[in-house]
Amino acid sequence: GAVVSQHPSRVICKSGTSVKIECRSLDFQATTMFWYRQFPKQSLMLMATSNEGSKATYEQGVEKDKFLINHASLTLSTLTVTSAHPEDSSFYICSAIRGGWTEAFFGQGTRLTVV
Amino acid sequence: GENVEQHPSTLSVQEGDSAVIKCTYSDSASNYFPWYKQELGKRPQLIIDIRSNVGEKKDQRIAVTLNKTAKHFSLHITETQPEDSAVYFCAVTNQGGKLIFGQGTELSVKP
Repeated sequence: GAVVSQHPSRVICKSGTSVKIECRSLDFQATTMFWYRQFPKQSLMLMATSNEGSKATYEQGVEKDKFLINHASLTLSTLTVTSAHPEDSSFYICSAIRGGWTEAFFGQGTRLTVV
Repeated sequence: GENVEQHPSTLSVQEGDSAVIKCTYSDSASNYFPWYKQELGKRPQLIIDIRSNVGEKKDQRIAVTLNKTAKHFSLHITETQPEDSAVYFCAVTNQGGKLIFGQGTELSVKP
């Protein structure tokens, strides 16, 4: 099967600092990766689409300067939350798809707490 | 853009009963409709999916039906068990992997 690994699983950071989350496809090359955010008792909201070697496409209302996405290789995408604030505390999940496939494979998610 | 509505938001059933969750979508170009089960703090787990050229799909106790004309699809779980208790999400896509999720249904199966 297709495995997507996300790290860290939990992170606590101070307000004003930056946090980097990694999303790796372990056994396949991911043509596209997606980043979602999920607040408690809410649905997954798409933040951005990440394609290897090109700029990420952000959904409406998502600040691209605050949520920096880098997709440097076909197996790694990173999300950096810059100048984090308590309202950025959330569950961040990545997903990846293989070329020509529709099914998305999800990482374990990252619980970010900003204090 | 695509809009997905999911109902009900909570559903409580007795063990052994059936559970039905419904979703409607707005974009007629959507062509892939997965259902996910999510336990607290975990990643969504794909439980069944259906493509636009199929009207119904079944996998043991789980089935999904799709009505493309009406733009709605439903998840059916029969003979529910306590371990089916979780939050269920429908999703749609027409762009290979870019999923738009419904609001979620918290299913509680009482022994």
